[in-house]
Amino acid sequence: DIQMTQSPSSVSASVGDRVTITCRAGQDISSWLAWYQQKPGKAPKVLISAASSLQSGVPSRFSGSGSGTDFTLTISSLQPEDFATYYCQQANSFPWTFGQGTKVEIK
Amino acid sequence: QVQLVESGGGVVQPGRSLRLSCAASGFIFSDYAMHWVRQAPGKGLEWVALISYDGSDKYYADSVKGRFTISRDKSKNTLNLQMNSLRAEDTAVYYCARHRGQQLVGGWFDPWGQGTLVTVSS
Repeated sequence: DIQMTQSPSSVSASVGDRVTITCRAGQDISSWLAWYQQKPGKAPKVLISAASSLQSGVPSRFSGSGSGTDFTLTISSLQPEDFATYYCQQANSFPWTFGQGTKVEIK
Repeated sequence: QVQLVESGGGVVQPGRSLRLSCAASGFIFSDYAMHWVRQAPGKGLEWVALISYDGSDKYYADSVKGRFTISRDKSKNTLNLQMNSLRAEDTAVYYCARHRGQQLVGGWFDPWGQGTLVTVSS
């Protein structure tokens, strides 16, 4: 199985801050990586697919980059509605696996 | 609008069975592969199973292989998950999700249902 490791596990930030979350794959996954946002008690929502493709309706302050084993999700200017947990997910090979999550908290 | 609604969760004793369903609407169900993903209380996400658009291919996580069976009913626009020999570690919210992407490789989950809670306890 491909292990996905996110860092940090949690981050405290203020509205307007730039936040970067990294995701490292245990082996080369090309660009087959997606990012999700999950708020408490809710289902996850996809933000980015194929490492850098912003999904329809997702604000442009979210961006993704990377390929191979190292990926990043950046929130350019954190908004109140962005406080949530973020997960990366690889779809290069079965079983598909997720990172352990990064909780973005209010500073 | 695209909607996925899970049902069938509940409390079940270890070793027993449970069947989850996911009613799909707002899109052509038979055009899409479908997934089950679960989340144990306070934990992260775990992919469980995938079924191809026509039901011909199925994939499972090792943790459920041989115990869980994914299936789909084209006439009812419904995705199912038959869970047998349930264990305490199967306790989780189970989400169904539509597969996106032109191939199975490289795909992602969008949208997700609201989830149904399965609790395995004596």
